[in-house]
Amino acid sequence: KAGVTQTPRYLIKTRGQQVTLSCSPISGHRSVSWYQQTPGQGLQFLFEYFSETQRNKGNFPGRFSGRQFSNSRSEMNVSTLELGDSALYLCASSLGRRALDEQYFGPGTRLTVT
Amino acid sequence: AQRVTQPEKLLSVFKGAPVELKCNYSYSGSPELFWYVQYSRQRLQLLLRHISRESIKGFTADLNKGETSFHLKKPFAQEEDSAMYYCALSTIIQGAQKLVFGQGTRLTINP
Repeated sequence: KAGVTQTPRYLIKTRGQQVTLSCSPISGHRSVSWYQQTPGQGLQFLFEYFSETQRNKGNFPGRFSGRQFSNSRSEMNVSTLELGDSALYLCASSLGRRALDEQYFGPGTRLTVT
Repeated sequence: AQRVTQPEKLLSVFKGAPVELKCNYSYSGSPELFWYVQYSRQRLQLLLRHISRESIKGFTADLNKGETSFHLKKPFAQEEDSAMYYCALSTIIQGAQKLVFGQGTRLTINP
């Protein structure tokens, strides 16, 4: 079956702009989680969505937001971009029926803020 | 607070030698721990989880609650084991899984 897909794969933005990243989960998966990966902080949890509801949120400012659609696809938005937002953004999907369902990761979107 | 520590950023061993990647965690609840691996130019993928108690690609990991550790071991390293390894702690909030990752260890197997 097709894996988790993320678009776009690469993105360059300017400080102050906003950006929207997209994640399509594996068919049948209802949970989507987002992570930020940077050399300094490593992998950090952003938020998790299940059936269009945000169930869990990490310690990120309100500039980071997300949503999930009825087909389980998810988007995350970052407003008023800062240089420190440059990172690889990963999404992961799981069935979401059990809390310990395996998470399958996408290839990531590499965001560069200049 | 939940925390995962991988003390070695880089680890280099020779092919055929034993490998141990260290992971320590801090969590007040009952821990659920995982090892994820990222091979070159591939996506992050689950290697093993402690509840399965299985061996994947020759790797095993034992949860030691007394030492709050979950070290990954393999008796005989192979060149294809070269990759980035992440230890992760799963916490459950409102039924949702949140993974807390360590900083990762880059393992290089020398021929």
